Amino acid sequence: GAVVSQHPSWVICKSGTSVKIECRSLDFQATTMFWYRQFPKQSLMLMATSNEGSKATYEQGVEKDKFLINHASLTLSTLTVTSAHPEDSSFYICSARGVPPGSGANVLTFGAGSRLTVL
Amino acid sequence: SQQGEEDPQALSIQEGENATMNCSYKTSINNLQWYRQNSGRGLVHLILIRSNEREKHSGRLRVTLDTSKKSSSLLITASRAADTASYFCATDLTGANSKLTFGKGITLSVRP
Repeated sequence: GAVVSQHPSWVICKSGTSVKIECRSLDFQATTMFWYRQFPKQSLMLMATSNEGSKATYEQGVEKDKFLINHASLTLSTLTVTSAHPEDSSFYICSARGVPPGSGANVLTFGAGSRLTVL
Repeated sequence: SQQGEEDPQALSIQEGENATMNCSYKTSINNLQWYRQNSGRGLVHLILIRSNEREKHSGRLRVTLDTSKKSSSLLITASRAADTASYFCATDLTGANSKLTFGKGITLSVRP
């Protein structure tokens, strides 16, 4: 089946540093990838939609200069949290949309998430 | 704002019992999906039901959809301890599997 890999799965950083999270579709081409943020015991909140080769579309209230998204290829999207602060600590989850080999259907597959802790 | 709202927020049952979780939403949808999330992990797609469908089965899962009431239910039969997880409903307005809107989730605990 479709596999989406997120890396790193967890990261701890100092306040003011930037952190990059990668989202890769391993066995299919993802024309679109989505980035979500999830606080403890809360729902997933969509942050942005990224299409390969174009600028990401951010949801209302999400700072595009704070959360830089790059979708450079059909299998890779990155989220960079710039100048991270403790309030950016959260669980970030990506999902990728595409047609996995043999499925014949457009499916949405989620990564395992990346837990960011900013000290 | 949340499109989907699940209830109850938390459910604790004994292994072997059935678990019923409900989801209500506000606007017209193309389909509704249920996902499972183990603690600290990503989401796993469980089942999708389209707006023109009323009931769907997948193994021990049964999902219903009532578009007139804008509600859905997920039934897990003969629950197992391994079913312990958080369950989310998500609505897809366009059918393009694009901007899913998730509910707050239900925490299911199945006691062995």
